[in-house]
Amino acid sequence: EAQVTQNPRYLITVTGKKLTVTCSQNMNHEYMSWYRQDPGLGLRQIYYSMNVEVTDKGDVPEGYKVSRKEKRNFPLILESPSPNQTSLYFCASSLSGSSPLHFGNGTRLTVT
Amino acid sequence: RKEVEQDPGPFNVPEGATVAFNCTYSNSASQSFFWYRQDCRKEPKLLMSVYSSGNEDGRFTAQLNRASQYISLLIRDSKLSDSATYLCVVNRVGADGLTFGKGTHLIIQP
Repeated sequence: EAQVTQNPRYLITVTGKKLTVTCSQNMNHEYMSWYRQDPGLGLRQIYYSMNVEVTDKGDVPEGYKVSRKEKRNFPLILESPSPNQTSLYFCASSLSGSSPLHFGNGTRLTVT
Repeated sequence: RKEVEQDPGPFNVPEGATVAFNCTYSNSASQSFFWYRQDCRKEPKLLMSVYSSGNEDGRFTAQLNRASQYISLLIRDSKLSDSATYLCVVNRVGADGLTFGKGTHLIIQP
């Protein structure tokens, strides 16, 4: 089954404790992206990647890091999480930057 | 003007009715347009792409008006299961990726 898999689904952590949210796709997609979704603000892009070892900032990259060492994986790293990073996070992939995105089922992060 | 704008609603519509909502986009050079559906706390899912000549998928019709820079979604014979948030999506111009509107919340009432 074609899918984007994110883990974990739910995560509660404390300020400053480094965490990684994993994302993997099995569709051989070139393009991958991370979004966060907050009430009233909609989906905002954090980082994206056009291909292996090619990443770029989206609209809200501060406080986040990503890497694309393999085509299928695109982890999101929060080196020092803060409460304003409490949000619902989605990973997505597509054939190209202008193709329809396929989303993972989300990670709900709470930073206390 | 925001890149993609939608009326947030909510639209409260009786079951069986026809409902339509629009979305405006700011960049006339945009080429790719989509409608996504998102259920509460779930991931967005592609509902349909929007083509220049307009397109239909069952009860759903999407149209593009390039002159006025808006796309529309029409839902006929609405079902309770159509209750969701509908996201308008447009490709970025001069950069990679898609820009999402904040969504229109639709509630179908029995």
